[in-house]
Amino acid sequence: GAVVSQHPSWVICKSGTSVKIECRSLDFQATTMFWYRQFPKQSLMLMATSNEGSKATYEQGVEKDKFLINHASLTLSTLTVTSAHPEDSSFYICSATFSGTGELFFGEGSRLTVL
Amino acid sequence: AQSVTQLDSHVSVSEGTPVLLRCNYSSSYSPSLFWYVQHPNKGLQLLLKYTSAATLVKGINGFEAEFKKSETSFHLTKPSAHMSDAAEYFCVVIPHSGGYQKVTFGTGTKLQVIP
Repeated sequence: GAVVSQHPSWVICKSGTSVKIECRSLDFQATTMFWYRQFPKQSLMLMATSNEGSKATYEQGVEKDKFLINHASLTLSTLTVTSAHPEDSSFYICSATFSGTGELFFGEGSRLTVL
Repeated sequence: AQSVTQLDSHVSVSEGTPVLLRCNYSSSYSPSLFWYVQHPNKGLQLLLKYTSAATLVKGINGFEAEFKKSETSFHLTKPSAHMSDAAEYFCVVIPHSGGYQKVTFGTGTKLQVIP
């Protein structure tokens, strides 16, 4: 099946710094990529949807200036958590899809801990 | 509008006994239905999917699910649980309209397998 890779898997940073998480589709061109946040023992919460070459569409309540999403190519999307604070600590997961598949392919997730 | 209800947040079974994880949905469109599994600190892996073909769907690792339109259910089953099945399971609905922003996740069911 299609493979989606996230990097880094784990990241620890100091409060106030920015962190970038990459999401790559390894063997297909992703027309759409999604970013989710998952709090402990909860389901996934969709943060934003991004299509290659266009601005991301953010879900209500998600701060656009805090969570910068770039989908520069059909195989790469990045999520940058700017000026991270401890409350941003979470598990971030991306997924990708391509036209006609009717399926989402998920990355392995990235655990962010802000000290 | 659509919704997904996973009726049990936590299911505990003994190794070698059957597994039943329940999922009910509502959708304005004919949906595609999925079950994903998530092991600790990992991304989501597709177990199986229903996309309007056979109502009984077989997936990986011996899991299967039956789409019952009259009951709006898509319960996940396995005849005999293995220790490696212990994980979190998510039921997911994607409308056939292709509106991926409308992807809806259930709240998850944590499966515990007792030796």
